[in-house]
Amino acid sequence: SQQGEEDPQALSIQEGENATMNCSYKTSINNLQWYRQNSGRGLVHLILIRSNEREKHSGRLRVTLDTSKKSSSLLITASRAADTASYFCATDATIRQGAQKLVFGQGTRLTINP
Amino acid sequence: KAGVTQTPRYLIKTRGQQVTLSCSPISGHRSVSWYQQTPGQGLQFLFEYFSETQRNKGNFPGRFSGRQFSNSRSEMNVSTLELGDSALYLCASSLIPQAATYGYTFGSGTRLTVV
Repeated sequence: SQQGEEDPQALSIQEGENATMNCSYKTSINNLQWYRQNSGRGLVHLILIRSNEREKHSGRLRVTLDTSKKSSSLLITASRAADTASYFCATDATIRQGAQKLVFGQGTRLTINP
Repeated sequence: KAGVTQTPRYLIKTRGQQVTLSCSPISGHRSVSWYQQTPGQGLQFLFEYFSETQRNKGNFPGRFSGRQFSNSRSEMNVSTLELGDSALYLCASSLIPQAATYGYTFGSGTRLTVV
């Protein structure tokens, strides 16, 4: 079962606007990661935020994490057509001691209109 | 340096057949994980290999198997294919296991269609 749920499922904005995507998860985590996927291709790692961090920046990306609400948000500022993609949050889940896997949300489909 | 290479990119197979997918990780990376992506179930963890040993396995039937070679290249095999096995299969590499702590590098995937 999916650990995370993302909201909205789809988002369409004009180029230059900011895009915000949200992710909620169910269990405690060590970190939360965001990935981008272009048109059914591979996933590109965007940013990782650890459970003891509240905010992290990388270029035009800003990620926040609220562990009390078990939620995270990804903000893309000054969007570009090339940002059109699906965005996934992923949390680490412990299978057993020393063994982990990533559990992904269903993703947000972002479309940037020129 | 070269990224994660998955071959083939596309594959069409018939129900009941078997298929083998290949993944070459980034040079120096010794951990390889496999994920299945479908519209209905999303991204699901299949298994993880490190130093030629399967470390973790997801909740998939025994028809799904894999292995890792001494050069860290990995293969996954699906036997007795079913229509529901149609998916994008993604391989991810990392220097060490527990990449959930540090982040993966994914390949472009193999799109498998079962007819």
